[in-house]
Amino acid sequence: KAGVTQTPRYLIKTRGQQVTLSCSPISGHRSVSWYQQTPGQGLQFLFEYFSETQRNKGNFPGRFSGRQFSNSRSEMNVSTLELGDSALYLCASSLATGGPFTDTQYFGPGTRLTVL
Amino acid sequence: AQSVTQLDSQVPVFEEAPVELRCNYSSSVSVYLFWYVQYPNQGLQLLLKYLSGSTLVKGINGFEAEFNKSQTSFHLRKPSVHISDTAEYFCAVTEINTDKLIFGTGTRLQVFP
Repeated sequence: KAGVTQTPRYLIKTRGQQVTLSCSPISGHRSVSWYQQTPGQGLQFLFEYFSETQRNKGNFPGRFSGRQFSNSRSEMNVSTLELGDSALYLCASSLATGGPFTDTQYFGPGTRLTVL
Repeated sequence: AQSVTQLDSQVPVFEEAPVELRCNYSSSVSVYLFWYVQYPNQGLQLLLKYLSGSTLVKGINGFEAEFNKSQTSFHLRKPSVHISDTAEYFCAVTEINTDKLIFGTGTRLQVFP
């Protein structure tokens, strides 16, 4: 079974631009969660989508948004990029029928975003 | 509010020695607890999780952790480490029926030959 894939793997943007990251979950998984990893703030939960609906959300500003399609693929969008948005963005998929964290989450390799 | 503390940012150890990575959490309600491992330039991989039941949880790669409710701890242990265990380890907690997963700051395990 193919794992979680994320595209692109690396991205360079400038301040003020917007960016869209993509995540394809493991086949059959309906939950996709997004995380931001930075040296200063560590790993932080962004949001989780299940069956095309945002089910859970972390403490991030509205510039961070996402969506999920009927095939469970998910996209994350960050508008008006700031230097502090430079990070590794990870997505994870799971069955999660009982909630976002009870089933094992399988992580993708991440997208490394650099904002100049 | 829930929080997670990993007391050791780095743990150096020789190959075949035992290791314990410490994790303490703060919460006033029931929690789920997790340990993840991150190898260089890779995403996270779940090592083990505690949802309920036996407080001793066995995971992959020979790791185990023990949930201690009175100490609010969930320390990760391995009796004999390998070079390949060199990685960053993250403890995480979520309060049952909430929508937040909180990670610790990570512990870098460095195994020397």
